[in-house]
Amino acid sequence: EPEVTQTPSHQVTQMGQEVILRCVPISNHLYFYWYRQILGQKVEFLVSFYNNEISEKSEIFDDQFSVERPDGSNFTLKIRSTKLEDSAMYFCASTRTSGSYNEQFFGPGTRLTVL
Amino acid sequence: QKEVEQNSGPLSVPEGAIASLNCTYSDRVSQSFFWYRQYSGKSPELIMSIYSNGDKEDGRFTAQLNKASQYVSLLIRDSQPSDSATYLCAVYKGSQGNLIFGKGTKLSVKP
Repeated sequence: EPEVTQTPSHQVTQMGQEVILRCVPISNHLYFYWYRQILGQKVEFLVSFYNNEISEKSEIFDDQFSVERPDGSNFTLKIRSTKLEDSAMYFCASTRTSGSYNEQFFGPGTRLTVL
Repeated sequence: QKEVEQNSGPLSVPEGAIASLNCTYSDRVSQSFFWYRQYSGKSPELIMSIYSNGDKEDGRFTAQLNKASQYVSLLIRDSQPSDSATYLCAVYKGSQGNLIFGKGTKLSVKP
């Protein structure tokens, strides 16, 4: 069964450093998402992406964040200058269609630790 | 008012019992609702989706939706210890389908 994959599983970085989190969505899916979950808190939407551009973004997704689909398979989230409060699990999700009935499938996540 | 609310639990049920998990949402125009299961340290795993008022059954799971009351529930019949996890209610929002999650209800099934 196809699944979303994410690398690395755990990333440790120093405050102020840039990190890139990688995702490979399910192959026939067209809509991609990033969510994050701070330890003990709820899953929060960051950004949605379709047709090589951002569709929607939340207030969390400020100028420090960017997303890219550099090739036909990868979908990346870049944090330019990490802060302590960026420490969280970051989940990539994908879905085949948009609209009310899309079912989003999540990758295993990347645990980002900012020291 | 929070957009999606769930009782954080923990909800403890004996093995074989029915577990009932509840969720309310604030946006009356919401159309799509999803239940995810999240084991500790893992990612959300989709269990059920429901779009119309009434019940939807899938194996041991039944989702119930009442749009007038802005209420979604998940019933787990014949609960097993392997069902012990946090159950997340999510509501579709936005034109491109981003989900708004509740904080989740932690379920513990005791053998």
